[in-house]
This record gives sequence, structure tokens and C-alpha cells, in this order.
Amino acid sequence: DQQVKQNSPSLSVQEGRISILNCDYTNSMFDYFLWYKKYPAEGPTFLISISSIKDKNEDGRFTVFLNKSAKHLSLHIVPSQPGDSAVYFCAASEDGGSQGNLIFGKGTKLSVKP
Amino acid sequence: DTGVSQDPRHKITKRGQNVTFRCDPISEHNRLYWYRQTLGQGPEFLTYFQNEAQLEKSRLLSDRFSAERPKGSFSTLEIQRTEQGDSAMYLCASSPLDRADEKLFFGSGTQLSVL
Repeated sequence: DQQVKQNSPSLSVQEGRISILNCDYTNSMFDYFLWYKKYPAEGPTFLISISSIKDKNEDGRFTVFLNKSAKHLSLHIVPSQPGDSAVYFCAASEDGGSQGNLIFGKGTKLSVKP
Repeated sequence: DTGVSQDPRHKITKRGQNVTFRCDPISEHNRLYWYRQTLGQGPEFLTYFQNEAQLEKSRLLSDRFSAERPKGSFSTLEIQRTEQGDSAMYLCASSPLDRADEKLFFGSGTQLSVL
């Protein structure tokens, strides 16, 4: 029973366009959400996070949107660059993220084509 | 900042053997985590330490698994009597204690293959 779902295993986008990665969750106790990026043969690296008290957080080309009523969040990358090609994991936690017990989705593989 | 270091990067073993992995966290990070990632899945939480105390263990951590962090610095994860289902990437992560919103810093992982 997956609590964090990334329903698109892969996404292909042209360089310079917007990439939108989606994530749904089922546990209403989740109050902190993160996106991690993973390149082959490397561990996941933190990208951006959002607390449930916010509905948007922006960091450079990356913006995360949270819709609590729909239990849905999305990551927007604008403009997309070939170096963004990686697997993106959505993760969630309770307790404001203070415990580190993150629940990850299965990931979405993003390919940005030149 | 040298990052989280894991050793070995790859381990091939026969079913029934014991294996041990090591993780060196970022220095002065109080919290250390172990996660497991199988093919096509996201990382799954196994256990975490705050300094030398093991504070939480997932039900995924069967009796054959044991983790230690004896001096609050490096950690080891041992799997006894390995099974083919133990084949996975074992990821270690660390974070400082003084953050309310934890961002985990992951190592590159140890890829375990049980034949």
C-alpha cells in the first residue's frame, strides 16, 4: 500500500520547456514534503522541500506546489536543461520532517532532450 | 565537507553468507540513517541513529539485520544469513540535529548482490 505515489515512471521534455513532475499521497498526517534527484551510481540529492503550511516554494528554476485538499504536489522545472535528466523522487514525512523517516515514491525518470 | 562515504560500493555474496557495510557520515552530523532501495522502487527507511542511540527501526529490518553506531560517528550494517531477497542498494544518509526540517545527505550506496 503505497503512501506516496508517482504515477508517471518517465517523462521526456525538450530543452528550454517546462518539466512538471507529479506526486500524490494518501496519508493526511504527512506535513512535510521533499523532492530528491538521483543520477545513476549516485545517492539521492536534496532538491527542494515544502511544509504543509505553504502551498508554494520556489528555488531558482525549481518550484514545488502543494495542494493539500487534493493530496497532490508537483515539481516544476523551468527552463529544463539536459543536466536535469535524472530520476526524481517525491518524499513525505510526519512531524515536520524532524524524524528523518521519509516515505519515498517510486520515482519519475526525466529526460531532457537538447 | 567530504560527504557521506559508504564502503564497499559493491558486494557480491553467496546466499547464507554474512555481510557488513560501513557508513561514514558528514562530520558532526548527529543523525545517521540506513535506507534500502530495490530496482524500480524508491528508498525505504530501515533505521536511524541519533549519536550512538538507535531510535527507530522499520519492520523491514528483520532479525537478520543489525546496525550499530558505537561511538556516534561511523555506522555498520550487518546482514546475517543473506537471502536473494536482500539484493538491493543500501543507502546511508546523515543530517545535523539542529535542523527542524531535515534534509538528508545520502551516500552513493552499497550495491549488494546475493547469488
